[in-house]
Amino acid sequence: GQSLEQPSEVTAVEGAIVQINCTYQTSGFYGLSWYQQHDGGAPTFLSYNALDGLEETGRFSSFLSRSDSYGYLLLQELQMKDSASYFCAAPLGGYNKLIFGAGTRLAVHP
Amino acid sequence: DVKVTQSSRYLVKRTGEKVFLECVQDMDHENMFWYRQDPGLGLRLIYFSYDVKMKEKGDIPEGYSVSREKKERFSLILESASTNQTSMYLCASSLAMARAYEQYFGPGTRLTVT
Repeated sequence: GQSLEQPSEVTAVEGAIVQINCTYQTSGFYGLSWYQQHDGGAPTFLSYNALDGLEETGRFSSFLSRSDSYGYLLLQELQMKDSASYFCAAPLGGYNKLIFGAGTRLAVHP
Repeated sequence: DVKVTQSSRYLVKRTGEKVFLECVQDMDHENMFWYRQDPGLGLRLIYFSYDVKMKEKGDIPEGYSVSREKKERFSLILESASTNQTSMYLCASSLAMARAYEQYFGPGTRLTVT
């Protein structure tokens, strides 16, 4: 089957760095996306890694290793507003659709 | 900015009713998607459409149908609502077939079937 696995919950303190991991098992892998969803809100697109390596966008970075079937989202200088659920997702079916992981709930404490 | 709107934020329906959920996007996107979101299960794809009048089943299409008569509008239909269809329904769009990795979501419709 095709699946993406990520931890259900992560806790961190304000100002710290946190890494949210995602391991995948898919056929025809194209890349890995990350989405953020605040409680009661819509998911919003954060990043996409088509190639191995680290992509940096401000405080957020995303990493992909195809050989390890693994990626992660790195959040630096954590702020209270980063408390949200984070989903990894992978395009499938000839790039037409996404399969999502179950999501990681990040709680940032003062 | 891409804007995806959904017809209702909250909806309560009775078992057996026919339910229509409407989604409109304003950025001329080719692809549109319907998901349901349940705690601990993430987002599961119900149906998607890559062109007007074209549709493909997602991972959980049973009990649902869709309609895309205009490019900007994608409707989800529950032919006979059941209690196990109580969920959050999210609509999304993406620019083109090769850009499905970047989707824009509407605010969601929380549907309760009693």
